[in-house]
Amino acid sequence: NAGVMQNPRHLVRRRGQEARLRCSPMKGHSHVYWYRQLPEEGLKFMVYLQKENIIDESGMPKERFSAEFPKEGPSILRIQQVVRGDSAAYFCASSPDRGGHGYTFGSGTRLTVV
Amino acid sequence: DQQVKQNSPSLSVQEGRISILNCDYTNSMFDYFLWYKKYPAEGPTFLISISSIKDKNEDGRFTVFLNKSAKHLSLHIVPSQPGDSAVYFCAASGQAGNNRKLIWGLGTSLAVNP
Repeated sequence: NAGVMQNPRHLVRRRGQEARLRCSPMKGHSHVYWYRQLPEEGLKFMVYLQKENIIDESGMPKERFSAEFPKEGPSILRIQQVVRGDSAAYFCASSPDRGGHGYTFGSGTRLTVV
Repeated sequence: DQQVKQNSPSLSVQEGRISILNCDYTNSMFDYFLWYKKYPAEGPTFLISISSIKDKNEDGRFTVFLNKSAKHLSLHIVPSQPGDSAVYFCAASGQAGNNRKLIWGLGTSLAVNP
């Protein structure tokens, strides 16, 4: 029973490039959450998705960031035209139902923008 | 505005003794509180939680206490073991639209010395 799988584990992008971060939730989990941890900070909520629906994107920056969770395949967090300030650890979590508190986190993707 | 505060960035404890990690919150709408443990280069791992209708929850060596009037919770680890050395995050969620996004503290780094 695989856990939440995130890839890549490490991603290096030059300023202006696009970054795509992937998250496969645990089997049977239909809710996905993305969090970001900037250096020296706690985790900050970005977006909450269900299959083919964005439920809450109140934590997403207004520009350059988008997320999707298609009917088939992993959830994708996409950052266009990356800047140095986007360098952070991005964590994905999944849960089995909307009201559940039982998040399971992936190991994260560490994005470095050079 | 930090709604969940962990005022001690670090804590050092001798093996076998009690570790007490503290967390304060400001939003009285929070109704569920969780503690997560995080090792370097890994995602957070759920440790223990407590609903606002309780004042104590115990699971093995871990006990969480909630004081709603003071908007304060604490995690007790007894006895502490070297393997407990990690960063501990306090998180809270509220009822808004049944959306279980979590609001996180900045974490407390616990070092348990042999």
